[in-house]
Order: sequence, then C-alpha cells, then structure tokens
Amino acid sequence: EAGVTQSPTHLIKTRGQQATLRCSPISGHTSVYWYQQALGLGLQFLLWYDEGEERNRGNFPPRFSGRQFPNYSSELNVNALELEDSALYLCASSLGQTDPTATSYEQYFGPGTRLTVT
Amino acid sequence: QQPVQSPQAVILREGEDAVINCSSSKALYSVHWYRQKHGEAPVFLMILLKGGEQKGHDKISASFNEKKQQSSLYLTASQLSYSGTYFCGTERGTSYDKVIFGPGTSLSVIP
Repeated sequence: EAGVTQSPTHLIKTRGQQATLRCSPISGHTSVYWYQQALGLGLQFLLWYDEGEERNRGNFPPRFSGRQFPNYSSELNVNALELEDSALYLCASSLGQTDPTATSYEQYFGPGTRLTVT
Repeated sequence: QQPVQSPQAVILREGEDAVINCSSSKALYSVHWYRQKHGEAPVFLMILLKGGEQKGHDKISASFNEKKQQSSLYLTASQLSYSGTYFCGTERGTSYDKVIFGPGTSLSVIP
C-alpha cells in the first residue's frame, strides 16, 4: 500500500513569492492535515481538510491557505512568503470522521516538503 | 494549550529504561504518541483514549491518567532503534478537534 506522498521534496523561493505544496493521502483516507515543522521546533498544526471541507485551522495568518480536491489530495498555498516561513511542511492523512464528536484516528505522515525562503 | 513534555532530552545506554511524560492543562479525550527519527517523518506509535486501557507495542507502552490529564510513555530495555524525538499529541474531543503536539522529547540510545 502506497503511503502519503508529497511534492516537491524541496522548494526554494524568494521573499514575497508564492509557494504551492501538494499532498496525496493514503488510499481510503479522506482527512488530510498540514503541519509546519521549523528547525528545532515541534509540529505546528496548520490546516485540516476532510471530505473537501476545512475542518480546523491553526494559529497562522490568512496567507496560509489550502484546499482539498475530490480525490482527497490536497494543496497548501503560502502567499507573500516571509523568511520565517522556511520550514519542513508535513502532510498527514487519516480515516475521515464519520462522527464529528468521535475523533482519534492515527495520522500517517508523508516525507515532507522542505521550503526555503531567501 | 500545547501539552508539556518532560524530559526535553534523555540519553540512555542500550538496555536501560526510560519514561517520557506528557501533561495538559485541559481535560483530554485522547493522547497520541509518535516518534520521529532524524530526517524522517513522524511515525504513529499508539493512541490512548479516555476510559481506555494502557497500551503496549513490543517493549513500548503507555498509560493515560485522564483525571490528572497526563500520559506517560514507557520504553523498556531500550534498543538503538528507539533513538529519535517522541511527540505526544492531545485532543479534547470537541467537534472536529485538532491534535495539538507537544514540543517533543529527544531520546538517544547509545551502545
């Protein structure tokens, strides 16, 4: 079974540009999560998509946005890049929540996209 | 809101035991544990649910004290392969609640 895939592996942008990162979940998973992992820091939650809808959003400015496609793959867009956006961006997938009050599915992480802003 | 993990870092010799703690100031529904090896993606270890039992996987087990809002990860007879950063993640169980990860505990196992 194929795992979570992300592209590109590395991305170098200059300040002010836009970056687009892509994620394909494990087959059968409908939830996709995005995390930012800056050097030496933990996993900071960015966004959660399930069945094409944004379910939750972390404490990040609106220039971080994304979407989920009908095939459950997802895209993270970062506009007006700043130097501090340089980080590893991890995507994870899980089974979707059939009951919004019952959570706790394990998340499977992709290898990440290393974004460098110069 | 981010859970607190302790210790921040620990160095063990092969065969030694370790305990990593995770605590939250909020009432919890579940606690997740993941391990991330250097240069790799985090890998799921286990989830503990409120009212659930202590879980174990090989020589790694965990407990969840929902009254104290704490979880502990136990690594017994550590192996070199246990090295990495361990993250706990907590959920409160509200509608579409996200997992909030702690800062991580760096574990190094040396021969």
